[in-house]
Parts: sequence; C-alpha cells; structure tokens
Amino acid sequence: GAVVSQHPSRVICKSGTSVKIECRSLDFQATTMFWYRQFPKQSLMLMATSNEGSKATYEQGVEKDKFLINHASLTLSTLTVTSAHPEDSSFYICSALSGNPADTQYFGPGTRLTVL
Amino acid sequence: AQSVTQPDIHITVSEGASLELRCNYSYGATPYLFWYVQSPGQGLQLLLKYFSGDTLVQGIKGFEAEFKRSQSSFNLRKPSVHWSDAAEYFCAVGARAAGNKLTFGGGTRVLVKP
Repeated sequence: GAVVSQHPSRVICKSGTSVKIECRSLDFQATTMFWYRQFPKQSLMLMATSNEGSKATYEQGVEKDKFLINHASLTLSTLTVTSAHPEDSSFYICSALSGNPADTQYFGPGTRLTVL
Repeated sequence: AQSVTQPDIHITVSEGASLELRCNYSYGATPYLFWYVQSPGQGLQLLLKYFSGDTLVQGIKGFEAEFKRSQSSFNLRKPSVHWSDAAEYFCAVGARAAGNKLTFGGGTRVLVKP
C-alpha cells in the first residue's frame, strides 16, 4: 500500500516550452501533496504544498507563476513548469500525505527534467 | 526555525558490519521524525518513523532508530549491512501543526564494501 507514481520519469524539452508532471496516489486518497526539487548530490527542497480543491502554498523564493500546481482530485496533483529554462533542469519529486497511517508522506519515484 | 543535521556526508562500511547514521534536529517541540532511503535516480522510501511512545522504533529492511529527547537525536542503525543497503539516507522532521511539511537533513551516502 501507499504507492505514489509520477509521470513522466524523464523529460527533455526545449527552452521556452512548458512541461507538465503528474503525481498520483495509487491506493489512497491524499488531500495534501507536496512538490520537491532535488539538485545533484543534494537534499530535497520543498517547493510547494498542494491542497485538493484549493490553491497551492509556495515556499519562499519559489515562483508560483513559473511552477503551476493543480490538485484537481484526491489522487492527482500536477506540476507545470512554464517557459522552462536550462536552470529549471532538476529532479522533481512529489509526495502524498497519507491519512492512514496519518501524517506520513509517501514519495513518488521522481521526474528528471532536462531543459536544452 | 527547525533544522536537521546529518553530520556524516559519506560512510563506508564493510558488508556484514554494523551501521549507524546520525541525525540531530532542532525544533520547537517534539516533532515527528522520519528516516527515508533513496537509491540513485529514484524517489524516497520510508524506512521508519517516530511519533510518540517507545523511543526505539523498528523499520523495514532490518533498520531501527532510537529517539533521544535529551540529545535531540534520532540515529538510525542496522546490525549487519547488506550490499543492497548502499544508498542515500535522509533524516527528516515534521509536525502536524506545521502542515506536515518535512525538513530534511543533508543526507548521508552509504557505500558498502564487499
């Protein structure tokens, strides 16, 4: 149980284009999901908290107009990187907050974004 | 502000030897404490967690961790390491009152020698 998927696992795009990443909780409902960014050989940096049916909450320094988050259902959150640039290249990981057991985040496998 | 410190960036251990990974945290109250493991290019897998109660918690893959309030520590241990334990290990803290946001330590990379 507590499986979270992400799609795609890898994406390469040209500078200026937009990329959408999906995060799904496969066997539980998640009113809250989180999006993280991880640079090579570094820890995870929280970008935003995604709440079903409401606007996402962004961490300080994260551009909300660049990283659009939509949490349209209890099992799906999407992150869209708009007008991507090479500096947006990174490993993006989502997590879903479980209700049972409570207060526990389960992570997706991550998406490697490369912007050329 | 909360913070998590994992003092060891790298640890090399021989297969079959014991392993201990250190984690120290700074938080306003007793937080929820987690250990996650990440293999290269993969997401994070939950090893174990501590919310309350018995301060020695058992996790998956033979790992255990002990919460020591007086030392603000939550160290991870495994009695006998397998080659498949080579990975990056992250300690994290969170709390429901903080929206369950996690603050991660910098990670410890474990290398296993045959």
